[in-house]
Amino acid sequence: RKEVEQDPGPFNVPEGATVAFNCTYSNSASQSFFWYRQDCRKEPKLLMSVYSSGNEDGRFTAQLNRASQYISLLIRDSKLSDSATYLCVVTSNNAGNMLTFGGGTRLMVKP
Amino acid sequence: EPEVTQTPSHQVTQMGQEVILRCVPISNHLYFYWYRQILGQKVEFLVSFYNNEISEKSEIFDDQFSVERPDGSNFTLKIRSTKLEDSAMYFCASRESGELFFGEGSRLTVL
Repeated sequence: RKEVEQDPGPFNVPEGATVAFNCTYSNSASQSFFWYRQDCRKEPKLLMSVYSSGNEDGRFTAQLNRASQYISLLIRDSKLSDSATYLCVVTSNNAGNMLTFGGGTRLMVKP
Repeated sequence: EPEVTQTPSHQVTQMGQEVILRCVPISNHLYFYWYRQILGQKVEFLVSFYNNEISEKSEIFDDQFSVERPDGSNFTLKIRSTKLEDSAMYFCASRESGELFFGEGSRLTVL
C-alpha cells in the first residue's frame, strides 16, 4: 500500500459545483495532515492544515478520520481559479519531521 | 512576508557534471528539506535536515547527493555526477514546526 494515496482525477466540474477529494494514508502514527495546492509548474502552496475536529476556511472544509486513516477536502461553490492539483501531505515517520506527499488530485473547473 | 528563495531557477548541465542548487530558508525555521518533482509526477521527498545534520533521507538520496548548510543561511543540494534521470524540479522547503513553506524551485535539465 502506498504511504499516501489519492485519486489522480481529473475531476471536471462546472463552476458553482461542490467537489470532494479523499486521501488515504498508511502510517497510523501520522500526526500532522495538510492540503496543499499546486498550480502547473509552480511550487506547492499550503491550502489548509487538517485538524482532528475538522476545520473550515471559507469555501474549503477539511476532515480527518483517524480510524479509517483518511482525510478529505470539500470545495463548495467551485471557481475557475480553483483549477489546480490538490496534494495531500502527511507526516510519515514517528518523529513527525518527514512529510510525504500524495500524487495529487487534479481539479478542472469549467465555465 | 518571509519566503524561501532558491537559485538558480533553471540549470542545464551535461550528464556527469556536478550541480549545486542553493536555497535560503526562512530565517527562524529549524527544519530544512529538499524535494524533487519529475515532470508530470508526484512530489518526492529527498532529505530533511535539522540541527546541522541529516535527520531523514529517502532511497532516492544516494551517494551522488549531499546537503550542506555552509554558513548558517544557505542550504545547498549537491549532485555529484548528474544522470539524465536527475532532470526534475527541485524544491527546497523549510518549516518551524507546522506546515512546509516551499521555494519556487530550481529546474534541472540534464542533457
